[in-house]
Amino acid sequence: GQQVMQIPQYQHVQEGEDFTTYCNSSTTLSNIQWYKQRPGGHPVFLIQLVKSGEVKKQKRLTFQFGEAKKNSSLHITATQTTDVGTYFCAVKAAGNKLTFGGGTRVLVKP
Amino acid sequence: DSGVTQTPKHLITATGQRVTLRCSPRSGDLSVYWYQQSLDQGLQFLIQYYNGEERAKGNILERFSAQQFPDLHSELNLSSLELGDSALYFCASSARQQGNYGYTFGSGTRLTVV
Repeated sequence: GQQVMQIPQYQHVQEGEDFTTYCNSSTTLSNIQWYKQRPGGHPVFLIQLVKSGEVKKQKRLTFQFGEAKKNSSLHITATQTTDVGTYFCAVKAAGNKLTFGGGTRVLVKP
Repeated sequence: DSGVTQTPKHLITATGQRVTLRCSPRSGDLSVYWYQQSLDQGLQFLIQYYNGEERAKGNILERFSAQQFPDLHSELNLSSLELGDSALYFCASSARQQGNYGYTFGSGTRLTVV
């Protein structure tokens, strides 16, 4: 089935700085979803990208789907302590199951 | 409250035992998915049900089984438990079997096998 690799695995960010996490696949993806899981919490759906080159914004979060639909990125500007958590990308695989990447764990230094 | 209800929240049991985890999907959602998340690990897909029927299976152990009932709630049964089964078990639901909808996750059941 389709698999996605997320990098980096860990991201230490100074509060106020920007950072980007990436999701890469060796195959073309029909769509990609992003989720956020706060420490001790459950994954929460953030967004879905479908079109080649698509860019969507949610306040300080910018999501992008690559032109070849093989990668995606999540960029967060002016990081805040509320951004702490693990960000997962996920892709639909055979049988409509959602396959998650390994996640990027974000730690914010105040 | 996400609308997906999982019980119990915590479960501590001994090796060799059997437990049942319960999930009530969000109102109107027909699909239920079960995921396992071990400590500091990603989310591993176990199984999917749609309107009472099994639709997809992941790397679910033979000791594990699940079902979805007519009222759409689902149960995940874990038997002959081993220490390595200790994990967070999440249930998620979605509006349709096929479609561009994100999953809504429950708060999870934390299983500790001692």
